[in-house]
Amino acid sequence: ETGVTQTPRHLVMGMTNKKSLKCEQHLGHNAMYWYKQSAKKPLELMFVYSLEERVENNSVPSRFSPECPNSSHLFLHLHTLQPEDSALYLCASSHVRGNEQFFGPGTRLTVL
Amino acid sequence: AQRVTQPEKLLSVFKGAPVELKCNYSYSGSPELFWYVQYSRQRLQLLLRHISRESIKGFTADLNKGETSFHLKKPFAQEEDSAMYYCALGYGQNFVFGPGTRLSVLP
Repeated sequence: ETGVTQTPRHLVMGMTNKKSLKCEQHLGHNAMYWYKQSAKKPLELMFVYSLEERVENNSVPSRFSPECPNSSHLFLHLHTLQPEDSALYLCASSHVRGNEQFFGPGTRLTVL
Repeated sequence: AQRVTQPEKLLSVFKGAPVELKCNYSYSGSPELFWYVQYSRQRLQLLLRHISRESIKGFTADLNKGETSFHLKKPFAQEEDSAMYYCALGYGQNFVFGPGTRLSVLP
């Protein structure tokens, strides 16, 4: 598959669960991003990785934990989330940091 | 900090009417400006970039450095243009999105 893929597409979890979101890009890009999209804040940057190194962390609560094992994969580990964390989580990649970004379809997360 | 503003959260126009989605940025260097679009239940995707000076789906945008603006225009809106539109600024190693404008084209 080409482009940016995300799994799962939908996730429902309780506040005590631990789950992970996965993002994979097949574009040979060196930078990857996590965004949160909700009605309250349409597009909120969470984390930026460049060459597998975290370069930006926008005051995100520690219940969200990113991991970038290589330049093609990005994870977002979730634990003890709150209902207000329910949102669409978008992954994006770019050739290098600062270039135009290509987005995945997102994971629709619902926290009960 | 560099910023992108889109003053309208929601813009409603009738089919066939002209549409202009406003975008202003703050950056003193040479910016790269983009418009992204997100149709219902589809992924966020690039619509156009200022360096290409292209027209996509009838939309155009001109970079005005004097007014620090990059407004998106279309002379005759179609119902299928209804979507969320984000203006974005690339500068150095950074990339920032505006808050978005939801365009609703009414029949």
